[in-house]
Amino acid sequence: KQEVTQIPAALSVPEGENLVLNCSFTDSAIYNLQWFRQDPGKGLTSLLLIQSSQREQTSGRLNASLDKSSGRSTLYIAASQPGDSATYLCAVKETSGSRLTFGEGTQLTVNP
Amino acid sequence: SAVISQKPSRDICQRGTSLTIQCQVDSQVTMMFWYRQQPGQSLTLIATANQGSEATYESGFVIDKFPISRPNLTFSTLTVSNMSPEDSSIYLCSVETGRFQEKLFFGSGTQLSVL
Repeated sequence: KQEVTQIPAALSVPEGENLVLNCSFTDSAIYNLQWFRQDPGKGLTSLLLIQSSQREQTSGRLNASLDKSSGRSTLYIAASQPGDSATYLCAVKETSGSRLTFGEGTQLTVNP
Repeated sequence: SAVISQKPSRDICQRGTSLTIQCQVDSQVTMMFWYRQQPGQSLTLIATANQGSEATYESGFVIDKFPISRPNLTFSTLTVSNMSPEDSSIYLCSVETGRFQEKLFFGSGTQLSVL
């Protein structure tokens, strides 16, 4: 059974700092991995999707990497801003038709 | 991409009552997914709703408690029946899009509190 772990559970940084969020998964035979952002009491917004054949994806200040062999993904946020404060979740899909397995998220606070 | 309208956005309900959550998508999709997110926890899939057939429920979830309708390719409802305080959660609908149905989009969620 696939298990997804995110470390740290919570992170507080000053504005402007670069930071890395970690996601690990137990079964490396994945189809894709997706990073989401969730604001308090709200739904999820898709940030980046990495297919199993890819090593990384970039969108603006966000960069997500994938290392299938070690079962790890990182989300790098450059020059963090208070508006980046949210919970970040990663989710793994094992096959094209399977359900996603979510991590429990990292709660990020960026202090002005 | 997909735009998903979900309502209500929040509700406070009494024990023993039922609440129906609606989800409308701006395009036709084959499958719609319903998730639950209990306080401080990650998302758990409740069921997958296919148009024209019965929903497929995950382990621990049953149709009597969470009946689902899927009358067409753009709309679905989830009912939380005979509610108890343990049902207090955020409920989210989602769809997959993309050439290989690889990307997941979510509605804005329904925050349910049961007294």
